[in-house]
Amino acid sequence: AQRVTQPEKLLSVFKGAPVELKCNYSYSGSPELFWYVQYSRQRLQLLLRHISRESIKGFTADLNKGETSFHLKKPFAQEEDSAMYYCALINFGNEKLTFGTGTRLTIIP
Amino acid sequence: DTGVSQDPRHKITKRGQNVTFRCDPISEHNRLYWYRQTLGQGPEFLTYFQNEAQLEKSRLLSDRFSAERPKGSFSTLEIQRTEQGDSAMYLCAIKLIGALANTIYFGEGSWLTVV
Repeated sequence: AQRVTQPEKLLSVFKGAPVELKCNYSYSGSPELFWYVQYSRQRLQLLLRHISRESIKGFTADLNKGETSFHLKKPFAQEEDSAMYYCALINFGNEKLTFGTGTRLTIIP
Repeated sequence: DTGVSQDPRHKITKRGQNVTFRCDPISEHNRLYWYRQTLGQGPEFLTYFQNEAQLEKSRLLSDRFSAERPKGSFSTLEIQRTEQGDSAMYLCAIKLIGALANTIYFGEGSWLTVV
């Protein structure tokens, strides 16, 4: 069974400070990991995925298979980063995205 | 615009009534999904279609729920005899053709409140 855990429901960070949103997962196959973001009054949007190994809006996430983690990081927080962030997993050959419960990130000016 | 359009955006209904949500994909896609999101939780998978065929249903989809996709175009999600526990956001999503594998795009959702 696949499971995604986001231990922090709420996270407040000062503008300019580093951000790290934690995500741990359990799986029984070949997982692919994602981060989705939901800004106020907007739809859920894909932020990044581990296979792309890209940086989006200054955010990066590295898949650590040993620790089964996929933490989201940004070196310098900006006010526009305030949003709800969801970590999600899909197993190869499966159509079902499994989401964590989300972390609400608030950037303090 | 990329993604899906959902209607209605908000629905308030009395317990016991039936409700139907509609999803219209805007972009070319090869899968259509329904998810449900309750307060404080992430989205949970309900079902998905490939063209008009419904290929998987979650245990969350009780007998009161039915999803259809006539002719492989728009999709509907109907809830019969609504209960207060059905109050949630119902999200439609698609997997785009040509996009990176497993890239799933979500609509804005339909909020259901059962009173």
